[in-house]
Amino acid sequence: NAGVTQTPKFQVLKTGQSMTLQCAQDMNHNSMYWYRQDPGMGLRLIYYSASEGTTDKGEVPNGYNVSRLNKREFSLRLESAAPSQTSVYFCASSVEQGTEAFFGQGTRLTVV
Amino acid sequence: GESVGLHLPTLSVQEGDNSIINCAYSNSASDYFIWYKQESGKGPQFIIDIRSNMDKRQGQRVTVLLNKTVKHLSLQIAATQPGDSAVYFCAENLAPRGGTSYGKLTFGQGTILTVHP
Repeated sequence: NAGVTQTPKFQVLKTGQSMTLQCAQDMNHNSMYWYRQDPGMGLRLIYYSASEGTTDKGEVPNGYNVSRLNKREFSLRLESAAPSQTSVYFCASSVEQGTEAFFGQGTRLTVV
Repeated sequence: GESVGLHLPTLSVQEGDNSIINCAYSNSASDYFIWYKQESGKGPQFIIDIRSNMDKRQGQRVTVLLNKTVKHLSLQIAATQPGDSAVYFCAENLAPRGGTSYGKLTFGQGTILTVHP
């Protein structure tokens, strides 16, 4: 049981480049989330998807877009990367809203 | 600002001691709290949770206490081991007025726990 899988694990982008972070879960969870974690800080919610077919903004959505492709997959897209988006990105999933979230291993993104 | 915060950013203990990590929250309507452990280079890992209708919950070597009067949450780790060294986060599930859960966890800044052999 892989749980939550994120790809890639590491990425370096130049300012202005675009990329998509992939996330898949095999636990049949309804809700999925994208967080970013900056040094010395807790996780901040970027976007979430309460169920397949729905997405909503979190605390820090600017500069990002998401797609809930199906129940398993939830991708995060940076259309024009900026140095301020240098961070570690975590995808998570939960059975439903308001329950324990399981996290992936993270994607370390550097924008130069 | 942060709706969930920690009193101590670092905590150092000797192996075998009990550890207590504290967390304050500001939203009195929050209905669900979780403690996560994050080891270096890894994603957060669930430790224990508690709902607002409870004051205490115990797991294996861990206990979470919730004091709604002063909006305080604590994690107690018994007989702390070197493998417990990590960053510990409390997370709060914000509930709007009316009681329906958002399901969006808000995390505190974290406490670094270091266990010395």
